[in-house]
Amino acid sequence: AQSVTQPDIHITVSEGASLELRCNYSYGATPYLFWYVQSPGQGLQLLLKYFSGDTLVQGIKGFEAEFKRSQSSFNLRKPSVHWSDAAEYFCAVGDRVGNQFYFGTGTSLTVIP
Amino acid sequence: DTAVSQTPKYLVTQMGNDKSIKCEQNLGHDTMYWYKQDSKKFLKIMFSYNNKELIINETVPNRFSPKSPDKAHLNLHINSLELGDSAVYFCASSQEFPAGGRVTQYFGPGTRLLVL
Repeated sequence: AQSVTQPDIHITVSEGASLELRCNYSYGATPYLFWYVQSPGQGLQLLLKYFSGDTLVQGIKGFEAEFKRSQSSFNLRKPSVHWSDAAEYFCAVGDRVGNQFYFGTGTSLTVIP
Repeated sequence: DTAVSQTPKYLVTQMGNDKSIKCEQNLGHDTMYWYKQDSKKFLKIMFSYNNKELIINETVPNRFSPKSPDKAHLNLHINSLELGDSAVYFCASSQEFPAGGRVTQYFGPGTRLLVL
């Protein structure tokens, strides 16, 4: 069965520091991959997605993610975190066959001054 | 303009009651979804409608019944509410049917349901 794992439940970084959020998936082929962000009290907003091609994808708000097939990973990165980046981040997998979506359990990001 | 809107934003009710959550999208999308996010933030799809037709119907109690009067609306009706139904319910839409999961979904702000 397909699954998405976000190993870090909660991460705290200082403003201006770099960030990497981990995402691993279990899937028989290369899935479609997404990162969403959920600000407090808000719905989910798409940060970026990977369907095919260049394995390094750029998203909104200065985020990028790299698909690594050998590691079944799709980690999210940002070189310099801003206080407004504090939110919940969800990795998601789109099933190429079953038309389904699977979300990870999220990583909560706290940014300290 | 709000792309995907839900009402109400908060819903507090007693066990056994029947309640509805409404969702509307003004993006002209063909597909709409309902997700449930539990207290651990786990997000799971419940239903998906494409052009008013039910496409995905995950294993949810039949107390939950989605209704799509038109492409722009997907309402969720819940009968005989139980404590375990307390969660945040998100509506979402996408431009096309998720053929192979290759779609971008746009989410509403969520409805926080608390069953007492």
